[in-house]
Amino acid sequence: KAGVTQTPRYLIKTRGQQVTLSCSPISGHRSVSWYQQTPGQGLQFLFEYFSETQRNKGNFPGRFSGRQFSNSRSEMNVSTLELGDSALYLCASSFPSQSHNEQFFGPGTRLTVL
Amino acid sequence: GDSVTQMEGPVTLSEEAFLTINCTYTATGYPSLFWYVQYPGEGLQLLLKATKADDKGSNKGFEATYRKETTSFHLEKGSVQVSDSAVYFCALSPGAGGTSYGKLTFGQGTILTVHP
Repeated sequence: KAGVTQTPRYLIKTRGQQVTLSCSPISGHRSVSWYQQTPGQGLQFLFEYFSETQRNKGNFPGRFSGRQFSNSRSEMNVSTLELGDSALYLCASSFPSQSHNEQFFGPGTRLTVL
Repeated sequence: GDSVTQMEGPVTLSEEAFLTINCTYTATGYPSLFWYVQYPGEGLQLLLKATKADDKGSNKGFEATYRKETTSFHLEKGSVQVSDSAVYFCALSPGAGGTSYGKLTFGQGTILTVHP
């Protein structure tokens, strides 16, 4: 079974721009969660989608948004980029009714904001 | 809210040494507990898990026991290898009946370096 894939792997943007990151979950997984990883704040939960609905959201400003499609693929968007948005963005998929929310992670997208 | 605290690192060991990375948690109910490992330039890989008190998770020589009385899930390995060098994260998922869907709460991570 193919793992979680994320595209692109690396991005360089400038302040004020917007960016869209993509995540394809493991086949059959319907839940996708997104995390931001930085050296200072560690791993922080952004949001979770299940069946095209956002069920949970972390403590991030409204510039961070996401969506999920009918095939469970998910995208997250960051508008009006700030220097502090430079981070590794990880998505994870799971099959919520099993394995107590055991999540499988993709390799991440490394975003650099200049 | 839920929280996870890991021992401060980094941890530096010689090959074949014994490893312990401490992890304690705060959560309501009966969370599930996980250890993830992250190698340089990669995402997180699930190392092991435990879903109820006194469960022992194990994988690749690593072990951790879910201790509800001490709210702990310490990671141990009897003999580390150079290839175990990575960052290790302890994490919890809320128990059944919670509404914190899809959210893992992570510790700050512990950098492990193993020298030959």
